[in-house]
Amino acid sequence: DAKTTQPTSMDCAEGRAANLPCNHSTISGNEYVYWYRQIHSQGPQYIIHGLKNNETNEMASLIITEDRKSSTLILPHATLRDTAVYYCIVRVALTGGGNKLTFGTGTQLKVEL
Amino acid sequence: NAGVTQTPKFQVLKTGQSMTLQCAQDMNHEYMSWYRQDPGMGLRLIHYSVGAGITDQGEVPNGYNVSRSTTEDFPLRLLSAAPSQTSVYFCASRDTGINEQFFGPGTRLTVL
Repeated sequence: DAKTTQPTSMDCAEGRAANLPCNHSTISGNEYVYWYRQIHSQGPQYIIHGLKNNETNEMASLIITEDRKSSTLILPHATLRDTAVYYCIVRVALTGGGNKLTFGTGTQLKVEL
Repeated sequence: NAGVTQTPKFQVLKTGQSMTLQCAQDMNHEYMSWYRQDPGMGLRLIHYSVGAGITDQGEVPNGYNVSRSTTEDFPLRLLSAAPSQTSVYFCASRDTGINEQFFGPGTRLTVL
């Protein structure tokens, strides 16, 4: 699985968009970008995933650059409840078998009033 | 649906004791996994199962055993607890053909 690089921490004002970057310059053609988050002491929560097209769901948007070497997770209107550690994970599709998600240290997002 | 449930939430053991961490899911998911999370680190895969009767090792399997006799349950056994096994343990499951993993609330284990 490709290695990812994320900033250690970020701050965001409540109501504003939170843009969380992730570098994955060694990503392979069949590897997806997954985002999970972990609110303090809870189990990780799936947010979104994508291969090369931008994706949007009820939680967030995922923007993947054309060369796929980096991506950005966008929380359009961050709230205090979005304060969490956000993990960017790159791997082949889970649907293909196997269960391993390699979690790095992620980005601690702090949403403030 | 209750989702993925784990018991106990907290446990303190003495070195050398054995115990079983319970994990159950009511979503009829084929895939189940156990991860551990140490302070300041990401999650590391211990063992996983792709269906009842089938288990395999993850990246940190030493000191742990698993079994999968039913689709719903995936217990993790510590045969002889060591202080290095002090950690938070998360169970996860997912359905075949689905990318999303569902995680349980975790078990916080301390080995003295």
